[in-house]
Amino acid sequence: KAGVTQTPRYLIKTRGQQVTLSCSPISGHRSVSWYQQTPGQGLQFLFEYFSETQRNKGNFPGRFSGRQFSNSRSEMNVSTLELGDSALYLCASSISGGKAGGYGYTFGSGTRLTVV
Amino acid sequence: ELKVEQNPLFLSMQEGKNYTIYCNYSTTSDRLYWYRQDPGKSLESLFVLLSNGAVKQEGRLMASLDTKARLSTLHITAAVHDLSATYFCAVTGNQFYFGTGTSLTVIP
Repeated sequence: KAGVTQTPRYLIKTRGQQVTLSCSPISGHRSVSWYQQTPGQGLQFLFEYFSETQRNKGNFPGRFSGRQFSNSRSEMNVSTLELGDSALYLCASSISGGKAGGYGYTFGSGTRLTVV
Repeated sequence: ELKVEQNPLFLSMQEGKNYTIYCNYSTTSDRLYWYRQDPGKSLESLFVLLSNGAVKQEGRLMASLDTKARLSTLHITAAVHDLSATYFCAVTGNQFYFGTGTSLTVIP
């Protein structure tokens, strides 16, 4: 059974550029959540998509956006990159997400973004 | 906003010793998760605790949940070096809330 696939694994971008990260969930999982992990702030929730709709959103500026496709694959986009956006971005998939996600969440290997 | 606190933040322990990591959360949640993260790696699911009084064990790790006290514990028995990692607890509200993490180092 394939796991959660995130691409690319590593990315180096320049301030002001934009970036798109991709996440393919486990087959049959309809919920995809995105998280930012930094040494200073820990793991912070970005947003969750379920059946192509954004269901929840964390406290991040509008530069951070996402979408989900009909096959449940999700992308997140960060525009006008800042140095502080350097982080490990993790996505997680679950069958239904939210409180009903009692089956648990499976995380991808992450994308390490470095902004220079 | 739901808050999740773990302690200790850092734990250095000798092989063979026992220790407990604590996870407190601020509002009602009936699902609690424990994850392990190795440096530079993703999160590996350890336990999902679904009800008050739930106890799960895997190898040298045992997790329990007290929803009335809003407390979960991760007990480590006879630690070995391979358990060195960062451990996170998390609860679900309208999103997934993670604890601060406990960085565990097991010293030979």
